[in-house]
Amino acid sequence: DIQMTQSPSSLSASVGDRVTITCRASQSISSYLNWYQQKPGKAPKLLIYAASSLQSGVPSRFSGSGSGTDFTLTISSLQPEDFATYYCQQSYSTRIFTFGPGTKVDIK
Amino acid sequence: EVQLVESGGGLVQPGGSLRLSCAASGFTFSSYSMNWVRQAPGKGLEWVSYISSSSSTIYYADSVKGRFTISRDNAKNSLYLQMNSLRDEDTAVYYCARVRLKIAAIDYWGQGTLVTVSS
Repeated sequence: DIQMTQSPSSLSASVGDRVTITCRASQSISSYLNWYQQKPGKAPKLLIYAASSLQSGVPSRFSGSGSGTDFTLTISSLQPEDFATYYCQQSYSTRIFTFGPGTKVDIK
Repeated sequence: EVQLVESGGGLVQPGGSLRLSCAASGFTFSSYSMNWVRQAPGKGLEWVSYISSSSSTIYYADSVKGRFTISRDNAKNSLYLQMNSLRDEDTAVYYCARVRLKIAAIDYWGQGTLVTVSS
């Protein structure tokens, strides 16, 4: 089974900061990597699919990169509404969607 | 507008059973694969089960295999999760989620229904 790890597990940042979250797969998953944002008490929301494609309606300050085993989610200028938990998810095993453990972004 | 509305959650004793339902609207339900994903209190997301649009392909996480059964009724635009032999560790919010195979991602989620397994 493919295992996903994320780092850091949490971070504190200020509005306007550039934030980078890393996700690593236990084996190559090509570009089959998605990113989700979840706010407390809410369902997750798809931000990025196929490692670097922005989901419709998602602000352009969010971007994704990487392929193989190492991936990155970047928020270019953190906004107040971006404080949330972010999850990566592999879809290389097409019908088995393994999630990473999450990265909580909170206010410094 | 795509809507996924879960129901059927509640308090159940260990060893008991529960059936979750998800009512879909705003899209052609029969054309989409669906997932159940759960989240234990204060924990991360855990994929539970997958069912293809025609029910021909079904997968389960090892943690629920043999105890949970996913099914769907395309005529009723509904997805189900039959949960048997429930354990304390099955306590979680259960989300119904639409799979967009073209992008290999979950593009819509329901609001979730809470299942609590406790004596």
